[in-house]
Amino acid sequence: TAGITQAPTSQILAAGRSMTLRCTQDMRHNAMYWYRQDLGLGLRLIHYSNTAGTTGKGEVPDGYSVSRANTDDFPLTLASAVPSQTSVYFCASRERPGGSYNEQFFGPGTRLTVL
Amino acid sequence: GQNIDQPTEMTATEGAIVQINCTYQTSGFNGLFWYQQHAGEAPTFLSYNVLDGLEEKGRFSSFLSRSKGYSYLLLKELQMKDSASYLCAVWDSNYQLIWGAGTKLIIKP
Repeated sequence: TAGITQAPTSQILAAGRSMTLRCTQDMRHNAMYWYRQDLGLGLRLIHYSNTAGTTGKGEVPDGYSVSRANTDDFPLTLASAVPSQTSVYFCASRERPGGSYNEQFFGPGTRLTVL
Repeated sequence: GQNIDQPTEMTATEGAIVQINCTYQTSGFNGLFWYQQHAGEAPTFLSYNVLDGLEEKGRFSSFLSRSKGYSYLLLKELQMKDSASYLCAVWDSNYQLIWGAGTKLIIKP
């Protein structure tokens, strides 16, 4: 099984341009997450979705939007990129949201540079 | 505020034992995770603790003390492939994961 795939692997983007980072999982997990990882900081949650059709804001949602039209896909869109959005972006999924124990699985990441 | 503290970097020798500490202050607690992340790769799950005590899994063990807001990851018989960052994360009262910045472990021959 592929697990979680992300595209592109890396991207250089001009400031002010828009971009969509793609994330697809084939595990039929209900919950999906977008994180950014910056040097010296922990993973920070951008947006999440507990089930298809619903989304929520995480710790750092400004400048980002998401949609969850179906179970498998959870794209992250930057409407107008700024240099502070330069980061490594990880998509993750979990079988069930909430309290019952189940681990998060991570995609391989997208390295984004905004110039 | 919510805070998770880990040492930034540690160095150990191949074949030895190393303990990576994690202290946390979060709004509620519903479990603590340890993940391993090799450079340029995604984090991968190592362990989960929700009750006090030691959980052993092969060469890796994880300990939790909820009253002290403290956990450690113990790695035995270190191998060069254990060179990686080790991330501590806590499930808060809303079942959101709060992540530490990670500890970079360098293994020397």
